[in-house]
Amino acid sequence: AQSVTQPDIHITVSEGASLELRCNYSYGATPYLFWYVQSPGQGLQLLLKYFSGDTLVQGIKGFEAEFKRSQSSFNLRKPSVHWSDAAEYFCAVAPPYNTDKLIFGTGTRLQVFP
Amino acid sequence: EAGVVQSPRYKIIEKKQPVAFWCNPISGHNTLYWYRQNLGQGPELLIRYENEEAVDDSQLPKDRFSAERLKGVDSTLKIQPAELGDSAVYLCASSLEGQGKNSPLHFGNGTRLTVT
Repeated sequence: AQSVTQPDIHITVSEGASLELRCNYSYGATPYLFWYVQSPGQGLQLLLKYFSGDTLVQGIKGFEAEFKRSQSSFNLRKPSVHWSDAAEYFCAVAPPYNTDKLIFGTGTRLQVFP
Repeated sequence: EAGVVQSPRYKIIEKKQPVAFWCNPISGHNTLYWYRQNLGQGPELLIRYENEEAVDDSQLPKDRFSAERLKGVDSTLKIQPAELGDSAVYLCASSLEGQGKNSPLHFGNGTRLTVT
C-alpha cells in the first residue's frame, strides 16, 4: 500500500537558519509529489509540486524540494527561515493513475525561535 | 479571487446528533473535495466531485455520512448520527479541473467538529 512518512514530528530552528524537512514515500511507481503548509486555524496551501522533469523544484515563499528516486524521498528545504514560516508542513503523494487522490503524511510542526 | 468558504468554523454537538457542513468553492472550479483531518494527522479524502457527480466516494463512511453538490457549485457534508470518533477538522477544497491536469487544490479554513 502506498504511504508517506515524515520522520520528524517537530522541528525547532532559529530564525535565519537553514531548514530541511524530510519526506519518504512508498509506492510502486513514481507518484506525483507535493508539499503543503498549514498555519494554525487555516487550510492548507500548496508550496510546490513535482510531476516530472527537473528533480529540483522551486516553490513559493523561497522553498524548494528535491526528488530523489533512489531514496524515494522528496525533502523540503529553505536556506534561511523566517519567523512567519512557523507552521505545520505536510508532504503528500498522488498515484499517477488517480492524481486527485492525495495521500498525506502526518506532518512536521516547525517552530522558529528569534 | 475569493477563496474556498466553509461554515461554520466550529461546531460542538452531542453524540447521536446530526450535523452539516457547508462549502462554497472558488467560482468556476469544477472539482470539489471533502477531507477529514484528525488531530495530529494529515487530511484524508472523503469524497470528490466533478461538477455535481461524486466520482470518488470510496472513503466516505456511507452508513452515517452523506454529501451532495447541488447544481455543481456549493456542497454540504452531513453526519447522522455523529459519534465521538467523528471529532476532527473537515476541510473542503476545490480545483479548476482536478489535480491531474496541473490544477492545484485550494483549501478552505475548515470546520472543527467536537462531538461530546
